[in-house]
Amino acid sequence: SAVISQKPSRDICQRGTSLTIQCQVDSQVTMMFWYRQQPGQSLTLIATANQGSEATYESGFVIDKFPISRPNLTFSTLTVSNMSPEDSSIYLCSVPKEGMNTEAFFGQGTRLTVV
Amino acid sequence: GESVGLHLPTLSVQEGDNSIINCAYSNSASDYFIWYKQESGKGPQFIIDIRSNMDKRQGQRVTVLLNKTVKHLSLQIAATQPGDSAVYFCAETFSGGYNKLIFGAGTRLAVHP
Repeated sequence: SAVISQKPSRDICQRGTSLTIQCQVDSQVTMMFWYRQQPGQSLTLIATANQGSEATYESGFVIDKFPISRPNLTFSTLTVSNMSPEDSSIYLCSVPKEGMNTEAFFGQGTRLTVV
Repeated sequence: GESVGLHLPTLSVQEGDNSIINCAYSNSASDYFIWYKQESGKGPQFIIDIRSNMDKRQGQRVTVLLNKTVKHLSLQIAATQPGDSAVYFCAETFSGGYNKLIFGAGTRLAVHP
């Protein structure tokens, strides 16, 4: 199984500022995913972080708001830019289990509160 | 996290009883349906999956049933234990989706001694 570490685990930020969330995996993986989980809600896929190319964003999410970096096969960052209280959520990174279509490993999440 | 599951439907069961958690899906093109478990303060954990051409799949203490006619998925947990208390999410994926998981609504399972 893959071990995924996210930093920070939680933060309280002022509106208008930006926060960068880091995701470190203990093995090389081709694909990494970023999800958002709004309070009391399910998970929504933000984007796929591709190594060596731009991230692929899902409908409703744009690069200017959620820039993503993927400098190598074990690391990715998600930035939440120009934050507003509506951005208060848990942000999770995920990697698929090798060779599996359905099983994925998740980080413990970053709980973001925007005040 | 403590906010996970606050606004989700809750299923309360007694320890030792069987639990049935339901999920409706809308995408008939999905190839796999999956159940994930999310404990407080943690990311989701894979429980079991079922391919779209199957009706039933059993795991250890869990069974997933798929009814494509009514687009309904269920997770049965036998002899529910306190450690089963969590939020359960159904999810879908499809071939060519490059492992993207589309999560459905969650259900909070509360197991009482």
